[in-house]
Amino acid sequence: QLQVQESGPGLVKPSETLSLTCTVSGGSISRSSYYWGWIRQPPGKGLEWIGNIYYSGSTNYNPSLRSRVTISVDTSKNQFSLELRSVTAADTAVYYCARRVEGSGRRDYWGQGTLVTVSS
Amino acid sequence: QSALTQPASVSGSPGQSITISCTGTSSDVGGYDYVSWYQQHPGKAPKLMIYDVTNRPSGVSNRFSGSKSGNTASLTISGLQAEDEADYYCNSYTSSRTWVFGGGTKVTVL
Repeated sequence: QLQVQESGPGLVKPSETLSLTCTVSGGSISRSSYYWGWIRQPPGKGLEWIGNIYYSGSTNYNPSLRSRVTISVDTSKNQFSLELRSVTAADTAVYYCARRVEGSGRRDYWGQGTLVTVSS
Repeated sequence: QSALTQPASVSGSPGQSITISCTGTSSDVGGYDYVSWYQQHPGKAPKLMIYDVTNRPSGVSNRFSGSKSGNTASLTISGLQAEDEADYYCNSYTSSRTWVFGGGTKVTVL
């Protein structure tokens, strides 16, 4: 059974960089046919798609975040990561990682989510 | 990109059917059959209920069904049950090769 699990600091200072890692277990991140992505949800608000990456390293980002976001993949560790630069309080959210099937909108495996608070 | 439009809330009595709409444009919902629906209970991760407009993953009740007409997709829950009370989000692929979520709909079982 595939599992994805987010990890990283729960508190980040304003203007600094938010860094999260998603560890995939029970399956290989290098297998074709899947995209690996990040979605976030501010407290009490809706879901926002951040971006995704293919095992080859090809990425797509939300235009509203593109200038501050980098998603990378480490196939040797079966992990992919999120970096969000120059954070503000508006970036406070629960961050989820998830797998999406290529050629489909099927986002079938999600992590439990991790709350990141931006505060000094 | 603008969020897809969903009603803020929908309610129904046990056993009834309800429908949640998700309105976009020809550049997202209307242009692709990549609309999915997610159910989210408080404090939990979203759960896939419908993908690619009409497909239901194994393990999801057949009381949940999806459809699309033009720029509007819909999720119908038939035989409403107390456990269906949750937030529901639609999600669509866009012509910019990105994905966009709806604002979410809170379903209340009366």
